[in-house]
Amino acid sequence: AQTVTQSQPEMSVQEAETVTLSCTYDTSESDYYLFWYKQPPSRQMILVIRQEAYKQQNATENRFSVNFQKAAKSFSLKISDSQLGDAAMYFCAYRTPSNAGNNRKLIWGLGTSLAVNP
Amino acid sequence: KAGVTQTPRYLIKTRGQQVTLSCSPISGHRSVSWYQQTPGQGLQFLFEYFSETQRNKGNFPGRFSGRQFSNSRSEMNVSTLELGDSALYLCASSLNPGRNEKLFFGSGTQLSVL
Repeated sequence: AQTVTQSQPEMSVQEAETVTLSCTYDTSESDYYLFWYKQPPSRQMILVIRQEAYKQQNATENRFSVNFQKAAKSFSLKISDSQLGDAAMYFCAYRTPSNAGNNRKLIWGLGTSLAVNP
Repeated sequence: KAGVTQTPRYLIKTRGQQVTLSCSPISGHRSVSWYQQTPGQGLQFLFEYFSETQRNKGNFPGRFSGRQFSNSRSEMNVSTLELGDSALYLCASSLNPGRNEKLFFGSGTQLSVL
């Protein structure tokens, strides 16, 4: 069964600094999607960035970028120039392939709580 | 364009009761999925609906059920509530259930079972 592990329950970063959140996953599939979601106190889950497993190039969205290491099954999120508004829970998620049929779903890590210090 | 709307935002029930949660997707979105979020278990997939049909179901007991209406609005029902059902229930919508589809989440319904 696929699993997603976030080994850092809590992280903190100084405003304007860079922080990296870790995520590892386990799967026997070769074609899948990986996501990072942000959940602020408003509870609404917001997509930060996504990566297609068959693409070697790491995804980038403004100040957010990932380091995708397929062989190591690692998918870390780097936040550059951290802002106070980045404070939130961050979840790593794996989406099973479309050929998974009735087992197609998002599998989530337990999250990393990120604090941004002024 | 309005986002995903979940009602109610908070709910308090007692054991043995049943509850119905509602989710209105973004206009034009036809796929709706539900997740249960608890501090200990994280987010767990409940089910996914597309065009009024349940396409996928997670590993939850039969007390958890759902449906989708012709206007894509979805409801989930939990019968015979247990203390362990206390959780944040999140709904997400997308245009279609494709694997690359971006999911848009609502702010959830916080259910407390006493």
